[in-house]
Amino acid sequence: EGQLEESGGGLVQPGGSLKLSCAASGFSFTASAMHWVRQASGQGLEWVGRIRSKPKNYATTYAASVEGRFTISRDDSKNTAYLQMNSLKIEDTAVYYCTRTTSTATGVAFDIWGQGTMVTVSS
Amino acid sequence: QSALTQPASVSGSPGQSITISCTGTTSDIGDYDYVSWYQQHPGKAPKLMIYEVSSRPSGVSNRFSGSKSGNTASLTISGLQAEDEADYYCSSYTSSSTWVFGGGTKVTVL
Repeated sequence: EGQLEESGGGLVQPGGSLKLSCAASGFSFTASAMHWVRQASGQGLEWVGRIRSKPKNYATTYAASVEGRFTISRDDSKNTAYLQMNSLKIEDTAVYYCTRTTSTATGVAFDIWGQGTMVTVSS
Repeated sequence: QSALTQPASVSGSPGQSITISCTGTTSDIGDYDYVSWYQQHPGKAPKLMIYEVSSRPSGVSNRFSGSKSGNTASLTISGLQAEDEADYYCSSYTSSSTWVFGGGTKVTVL
């Protein structure tokens, strides 16, 4: 069964940067699009962005709320996806989940999730 | 992209059936059969319960079912059990090649 494990969360000041990692195992990472979804305390889920697979040219798409500040990348040789977060705002404080979609399983639904990593933006 | 609209809470007694609605627009739910539903227990990661409107992943109980009409999707839980008490989120792919979630519905088993 596939697994995802996020790391890199922590406390950062407003305007600062942080890079999250998502290590994948137990499934075809190269055939999967990788996504980041966040959840502020007591709030709902918010889709952050996606990076597609190599055949899809590693294309990325982002939510309007993070466009221009966040960048998703991946290293297929390490089965790892990343979320680089710059110009962080207080409202970016949330648990960040890594998840995936793949046309070979459940299509555009998120079928594997990590346990999440907490990002706190505060002075 | 605005969040999909879900009721804040739904409750039912054990054994009963409940339905959670999820309303979007012609740019998301109304345009694609790519609605999915997630269950989230406190402090845990979300779990996929329904994908592509009405399909169940392997291992998910057949007490969970999904449907769609126009811009509104629905999740029905039949034979409600104590373990079903959780938050439920709908999600849809959108015409902007993004994804959108609903605000979440807290299900309480009375």
